[in-house]
Amino acid sequence: EDQVTQSPEALRLQEGESSSLNCSYTVSGLRGLFWYRQDPGKGPEFLFTLYSAGEEKEKERLKATLTKKESFLHITAPKPEDSATYLCVVRNYGGSQGNLIFGKGTKLSVKP
Amino acid sequence: KAGVTQTPRYLIKTRGQQVTLSCSPISGHRSVSWYQQTPGQGLQFLFEYFSETQRNKGNFPGRFSGRQFSNSRSEMNVSTLELGDSALYLCASSPRGPGPGQETQYFGPGTRLLVL
Repeated sequence: EDQVTQSPEALRLQEGESSSLNCSYTVSGLRGLFWYRQDPGKGPEFLFTLYSAGEEKEKERLKATLTKKESFLHITAPKPEDSATYLCVVRNYGGSQGNLIFGKGTKLSVKP
Repeated sequence: KAGVTQTPRYLIKTRGQQVTLSCSPISGHRSVSWYQQTPGQGLQFLFEYFSETQRNKGNFPGRFSGRQFSNSRSEMNVSTLELGDSALYLCASSPRGPGPGQETQYFGPGTRLLVL
């Protein structure tokens, strides 16, 4: 069964304390892996799309990497405004257009 | 480009009523997907429409239905509302054309539905 597991469920950091969020996936075929940021009561905000192992994408303090089994979202010197839930989503090759499998998210809190 | 818009943003209904939610995708996007998000279940896929045709459907009862118009705008309808239907309903659009980046979904702000 295709599955996406995010860890940890919650992460508390001090401002400036770098860390990584993990997304492990098992799918029959990876069509794409997506990272989103979601603030409470709002829709997810797109961050990155990764397609193949070895691929990396960066945006400000965030860097996403992809291997054949997992993806990491590295946060360098986080600020309080980086506090949010980060969602990992995988699209497989199932069905006519591929199916999306959602992780449960990692809730990040950055304290000043 | 304007983002995905959803109306209304907030809605209060009573059990047994029906509700219609609306979603306008990003200009040029042909695919619209709907999701239900609750604290306990997270994001759950409802259905996806592409060129006015339902392409994928999640595991929800028949009370949940949707449609897409020729301008790609989409509506979803929930009939005979139940207390458990209280949730944030999210719409997402994507280009769904050939080439990289065409499958990335962009989400709207959501409609918060409260069923009393």
